[in-house]
Amino acid sequence: AQSVTQLDSHVSVSEGTPVLLRCNYSSSYSPSLFWYVQHPNKGLQLLLKYTSAATLVKGINGFEAEFKKSETSFHLTKPSAHMSDAAEYFCVVSPDNYGQNFVFGPGTRLSVLP
Amino acid sequence: EAGVAQSPRYKIIEKRQSVAFWCNPISGHATLYWYQQILGQGPKLLIQFQNNGVVDDSQLPKDRFSAERLKGVDSTLKIQPAKLEDSAVYLCASSPRIAGGPLTHNEQFFGPGTRLTVL
Repeated sequence: AQSVTQLDSHVSVSEGTPVLLRCNYSSSYSPSLFWYVQHPNKGLQLLLKYTSAATLVKGINGFEAEFKKSETSFHLTKPSAHMSDAAEYFCVVSPDNYGQNFVFGPGTRLSVLP
Repeated sequence: EAGVAQSPRYKIIEKRQSVAFWCNPISGHATLYWYQQILGQGPKLLIQFQNNGVVDDSQLPKDRFSAERLKGVDSTLKIQPAKLEDSAVYLCASSPRIAGGPLTHNEQFFGPGTRLTVL
């Protein structure tokens, strides 16, 4: 069975400091992986995706993630946090490349302190 | 390009009542999804359509939930009768990809959701 683990339910950083949101997955196949962000009372927005091309993926708003198959990880990073980054972040695995079944992680709430 | 539209945005009902949600996907997107997001959790897939056919409804509680996409465009999700545990945000998403299609088109685009409160 496919699953996604987000190791931290809540991460708090100061504005201007680096952000690290951790994600580990399990999948029987070569997965596609995504990070989505959800601001309060707004829809889910795609930050970035990995689909078996370059293992370092750059997304919007300065975020990037690195696919590490040996560690089954897809951690999200940003060099410098901004107040507007405060939101809920979801790691998502699409476990096979035929269908398009999305499995969401439980989410990590990012707080950015002034 | 217009995004995924959903209505209503909020709904409050009493248990045992019925409720329906509507979704209009992005024009031309073949695949449509309904998710349930309970507070504090990630979205859970309820049903997936490709055009007007059901691809996956394994997690849809079929004794009370139903969904249709009659013309392969708009979709409705219905709950009848509602229970307290159905309180959640119901998200609709669409994707241009069909099963086996290019992975470059495999992202999903989400609507703003409908927040349902069952009293």
